[in-house]
Amino acid sequence: DIQMTQSPSFLSASVGDRVTINCKASQNINKYLNWYQQKLGEAPKRLIYNTNNLQTGIPSRFSGSGSGTDYTLTISSLQPEDFATYFCLQHNSFPYTFGAGTKLELK
Amino acid sequence: QVQLKESGPGLVQPSQTLSLTCTVAGFSLTSYNVHWVRQPPGKGLEWMGVIWNTGGTRYNSALKSRLSISKDTSKSQVFLKMNSLQTEDTATYYCAREGYYWGQGVMVTVSS
Repeated sequence: DIQMTQSPSFLSASVGDRVTINCKASQNINKYLNWYQQKLGEAPKRLIYNTNNLQTGIPSRFSGSGSGTDYTLTISSLQPEDFATYFCLQHNSFPYTFGAGTKLELK
Repeated sequence: QVQLKESGPGLVQPSQTLSLTCTVAGFSLTSYNVHWVRQPPGKGLEWMGVIWNTGGTRYNSALKSRLSISKDTSKSQVFLKMNSLQTEDTATYYCAREGYYWGQGVMVTVSS
């Protein structure tokens, strides 16, 4: 199984900050990497698919990059509604696997 | 409008079998795959398995011996059955279409 190591686990930031969240795969996942946002009591929401494709309706302050085993989600200027938990998902091979999550908190 | 909704018992006794239904609307199960994902309270997400539009299935090897996914396309329903439940199977269970459309989730507690 492909292991997804996500970092950091917790991130404290302020409105307007630029933040990055990383996921490292245990092997090449060929850019089959999605990013999700999850708020308490809600289902995950897909932000980015296949590394760098912004889901329709998602603000352009979210972006994704990466290749091979290393991937990054960037939020260019944090807004109050962005404080949530973020997960990466590799769907290059079965079983699909998620990162453990990054909880983004207001400083 | 694409919708998915999970339903099932909120409480299951240890060693018993969990049966969940995902009822979909706005698309045909003959055209799209449906995945099951679960999330223990306060923890991360685990991909459980998928039923392809063709009816084939693929399971997480960690659950394979206990898990079965099937569907009734005429009723727009996907079914999850998992046996030999233990307390660590306590989680919110989600069905999702291609990772984009998700149900609201159903919380299942395994307890006597």
